[in-house]
Amino acid sequence: QKEVEQDPGPLSVPEGAIVSLNCTYSNSAFQYFMWYRQYSRKGPELLMYTYSSGNKEDGRFTAQVDKSSKYISLFIRDSQPSDSATYLCAMVSGGYQKVTFGTGTKLQVIP
Amino acid sequence: DAGVIQSPRHEVTEMGQEVTLRCKPISGHDYLFWYRQTMMRGLELLIYFNNNVPIDDSGMPEDRFSAKMPNASFSTLKIQPSEPRDSAVYFCASRLAGGPSYNEQFFGPGTRLTVL
Repeated sequence: QKEVEQDPGPLSVPEGAIVSLNCTYSNSAFQYFMWYRQYSRKGPELLMYTYSSGNKEDGRFTAQVDKSSKYISLFIRDSQPSDSATYLCAMVSGGYQKVTFGTGTKLQVIP
Repeated sequence: DAGVIQSPRHEVTEMGQEVTLRCKPISGHDYLFWYRQTMMRGLELLIYFNNNVPIDDSGMPEDRFSAKMPNASFSTLKIQPSEPRDSAVYFCASRLAGGPSYNEQFFGPGTRLTVL
């Protein structure tokens, strides 16, 4: 079993839809949870991070962590064509340098 | 800042040939990471350096893979001999020591390697 599981998609939604992207993990030592966004033919870029259970909001994006269920989510409200990308969840144990990435979910927002 | 620079952006080679990938991290960053990305396995950490010293190479798949960091501004990942299953996108990333604990890494644009 992989430490981090992520549905690869692809996920196709109409513009303006609410998008939900999810990851599950098995390592209880993970303390920091991140979402990276990767546009086609580009490197990943950090989108959001959080370290506690609950929600964190940044504009149209909300990151949610449920440590008891080992489940994290990224919600995108009012999705735009510019949100079309691959979204990778990522996790790390505090004090460690090795980040464990999910395989990524490819999202397409159709105008 | 120009960000992390990688070269070449694309590499096509034949099985058995030596391949060298290059990376210039962001100036001042203390950590450098090499990743490999495939559809099946996602983003895998191969090796990382701290202050030019290799810290963890447990992700290097085989002895055919080697990495060096002769100075703070340059690193190479070498595959010798290359095999078709090495075909992937190879990313270099860097980060600053003492930064936030969530370990934001800054990725280069990647090198797309195809081994025929």
